[in-house]
Amino acid sequence: GAGVSQSPSNKVTEKGKDVELRCDPISGHTALYWYRQSLGQGLEFLIYFQGNSAPDKSGLPSDRFSAERTGGSVSTLTIQRTQQEDSAVYLCASSLSRGRFSNYGYTFGSGTRLTVV
Amino acid sequence: EDQVTQSPEALRLQEGESSSLNCSYTVSGLRGLFWYRQDPGKGPEFLFTLYSAGEEKEKERLKATLTKKESFLHITAPKPEDSATYLCAVQRGGADGLTFGKGTHLIIQP
Repeated sequence: GAGVSQSPSNKVTEKGKDVELRCDPISGHTALYWYRQSLGQGLEFLIYFQGNSAPDKSGLPSDRFSAERTGGSVSTLTIQRTQQEDSAVYLCASSLSRGRFSNYGYTFGSGTRLTVV
Repeated sequence: EDQVTQSPEALRLQEGESSSLNCSYTVSGLRGLFWYRQDPGKGPEFLFTLYSAGEEKEKERLKATLTKKESFLHITAPKPEDSATYLCAVQRGGADGLTFGKGTHLIIQP
């Protein structure tokens, strides 16, 4: 597609439920990132995928968070047993870079706004 | 630990009134400093990458500069459509992710 697509755009869930957030990167982009943007906070790095290499999960805040990327394309971020502090906008980004650094930054999707009630 | 501090948090200007946004950073081994623009309900949009002190980049009414401790985003004769949140981020050599500041919310009044 022309841009990074994320779904759903909004998700309201009850505390304790599991949620799955989806990201479709730009076709041909090998690098994919997940970030979290909480109210009043800067974007927080969560996880990085590069091609078929093992992902960098160093930014995941707890073991309730996991992500996978199938076929080097679509990625799913899963949050188990959601808590109120998980409420945030979850942003996915992709880039053409074949290394960890992209001279042209990333292309971000519009995000999924997650509200845990 | 990498740190990025942006100031001011919010800035209101009249159309045509030039100003500068500041991004102060602490990072060991800067690989690149990025500026993004974010509109409400949208993801950040890439503007510039700066690599080393003394570098400058321009795009329309925007010019970004970099020193060893900070970066400035200069906005010349802004228009209402320049209203957005401007985000600064750094990437350390060897790191996969960016460290972002909290942003400057810029409002340009007609």
